[in-house]
Amino acid sequence: DGGITQSPKYLFRKEGQNVTLSCEQNLNHDAMYWYRQDPGQGLRLIYYSQIVNDFQKGDIAEGYSVSREKKESFPLTVTSAQKNPTAFYLCASSIVTGNYGYTFGSGTRLTVV
Amino acid sequence: QKEVEQNSGPLSVPEGAIASLNCTYSDRGSQSFFWYRQYSGKSPELIMSIYSNGDKEDGRFTAQLNKASQYVSLLIRDSQPSDSATYLCAVNRNNRLAFGKGNQVVVIP
Repeated sequence: DGGITQSPKYLFRKEGQNVTLSCEQNLNHDAMYWYRQDPGQGLRLIYYSQIVNDFQKGDIAEGYSVSREKKESFPLTVTSAQKNPTAFYLCASSIVTGNYGYTFGSGTRLTVV
Repeated sequence: QKEVEQNSGPLSVPEGAIASLNCTYSDRGSQSFFWYRQYSGKSPELIMSIYSNGDKEDGRFTAQLNKASQYVSLLIRDSQPSDSATYLCAVNRNNRLAFGKGNQVVVIP
């Protein structure tokens, strides 16, 4: 079945530590996105990529980094510079035109311990 | 003004009634509009898309779009307990979706 796989489902980060969230899709979609969801805040765009080896900052990119070396993969690194990383992280993909909406992965819940 | 606004608080509806959700957007050039359903602790699921003025029906769901007034609405007919979820409005701007904060719907048996 085609879809988006995010791993891990739950992740715990110590203060000052970098962690990487995985996102893989087999939908042959060109565009991929990372959103962060906090209670009562809705979804906020972190980074997006419309083509391999290219990506753009979203609305809240500070403290995060991404890479897009393969069409299928778009990992997100939460760096130690992100001071409040506890949130629900959602990866999504779409046909590049964006007119068909997004398909979301199941999400990664990150908690700082 | 926020890009996508969903201002209503939690909505409680009796089972079998109609739930009505509204969303306004700021970018007059937006061309495509979506409603997502999100169950607690889960990821959003696309339930409706609409691109032109008027109504679009899919089963118990009806999306309504009025570009002149810049609003999108979602009606859920014959509400069921399984419809209890948060509903997110999304608007396409420059090939990226901007999301509202969502409206929680609680269907009371």
